[in-house]
Amino acid sequence: DTEVTQTPKHLVMGMTNKKSLKCEQHMGHRAMYWYKQKAKKPPELMFVYSYEKLSINESVPSRFSPECPNSSLLNLHLHALQPEDSALYLCASSQDATGSAGNTEAFFGQGTRLTVV
Amino acid sequence: AQKVTQAQTEISVVEKEDVTLDCVYETRDTTYYLFWYKQPPSGELVFLIRRNSFDEQNEISGRYSWNFQKSTSSFNFTITASQVVDSAVYFCAADSWGKLQFGAGTQVVVTP
Repeated sequence: DTEVTQTPKHLVMGMTNKKSLKCEQHMGHRAMYWYKQKAKKPPELMFVYSYEKLSINESVPSRFSPECPNSSLLNLHLHALQPEDSALYLCASSQDATGSAGNTEAFFGQGTRLTVV
Repeated sequence: AQKVTQAQTEISVVEKEDVTLDCVYETRDTTYYLFWYKQPPSGELVFLIRRNSFDEQNEISGRYSWNFQKSTSSFNFTITASQVVDSAVYFCAADSWGKLQFGAGTQVVVTP
């Protein structure tokens, strides 16, 4: 069973809608991530939060807005998306920001399959 | 920055055959981490193994084994006696300073 929970599992939204993706982990991890994965492609990093602060933003368009209310929760707010934003959005967490030290493997949720119409 | 190359797009085997997945990485960092992840059709990425750049010891864990060779920048992964449940996309990934870079992935199809 995954210990990273993402909701909703599926989302269909219009280009003028505002929606939010939610991610929750209770492993005490201090780093959380958003990835975007198009069909038959590898995941691409969007954002990294370390100790509830945004540490990496991979030049993601402003129509994607991340938020980390606390160390267990990570949201991704969506507004005015385009059809090409349709993808699987994966949340992940790790004990620490990967690359820094120690147990750095990331644990992923099952993702939200987003369709923009 | 690092680059991860998985040259094999798809591998098809019959159950109980061994499967070896190739991964070649490029990095200028002296300290880095390498990973293998499995992604079944459900979509979740499942962590399999992690290797640190300063530890070249190769190991076996159940039906999984890996071969890390810094001299050839390779980090290959083998599934012994494959099972139908092993069917998935397998990603090799490299991490340095907080960015996990994935290879293109290899689709493994195991038929009964």
